[in-house]
Amino acid sequence: NAGVTQTPKFQVLKTGQSMTLQCAQDMNHNSMYWYRQDPGMGLRLIYYSASEGTTDKGEVPNGYNVSRLNKREFSLRLESAAPSQTSVYFCASSLGQGGETQYFGPGTRLLVL
Amino acid sequence: GENVEQHPSTLSVQEGDSAVIKCTYSDSASNYFPWYKQELGKRPQLIIDIRSNVGEKKDQRIAVTLNKTAKHFSLHITETQPEDSAVYFCAASIEDNDMRFGAGTRLTVKP
Repeated sequence: NAGVTQTPKFQVLKTGQSMTLQCAQDMNHNSMYWYRQDPGMGLRLIYYSASEGTTDKGEVPNGYNVSRLNKREFSLRLESAAPSQTSVYFCASSLGQGGETQYFGPGTRLLVL
Repeated sequence: GENVEQHPSTLSVQEGDSAVIKCTYSDSASNYFPWYKQELGKRPQLIIDIRSNVGEKKDQRIAVTLNKTAKHFSLHITETQPEDSAVYFCAASIEDNDMRFGAGTRLTVKP
């Protein structure tokens, strides 16, 4: 039981390049989330998916797109990376029945030059 | 949307002392308030949570209190140990969707 996994662990991009961050969970959770973490700003929700087939914007969705590929997988895409998107990205999942623990993945450190 | 403020941003205590971290929230509809601990370079991990129908919850050395009227909640750590040193985040949400986090408190426990 791996929990929540993320790939890649670290990525360097040039401004304008695109990439997709992958997230998968093997806990049969309904809800999945993408956060970014910047120094002094805590965790900010980018997008979430309350259930397979649905996605909703969080606090900071601009510049990102998401896909809930199936119940296990939730990807985050940067179409045209900008230096302001340099951050650590965490994926999380929860059972999704209300007030449940969110389990986080190990994070992806992204540097946009 | 919900706005969560967390204080202090840094906290230093002697081993064995108590530590208190406070958070306020803006949306009275929020009903789920978790606390996460994040060690350096690691992922956040839940340490305790509380729902709006409960005023206080304890788990060994950790306790959380909630004041719905004032819209604030606090984390209390007693008998602190060096391994308690980490960044602590509070959060608030309606159920567990669209969760908003505080900016974090860096706790240092000096041996």
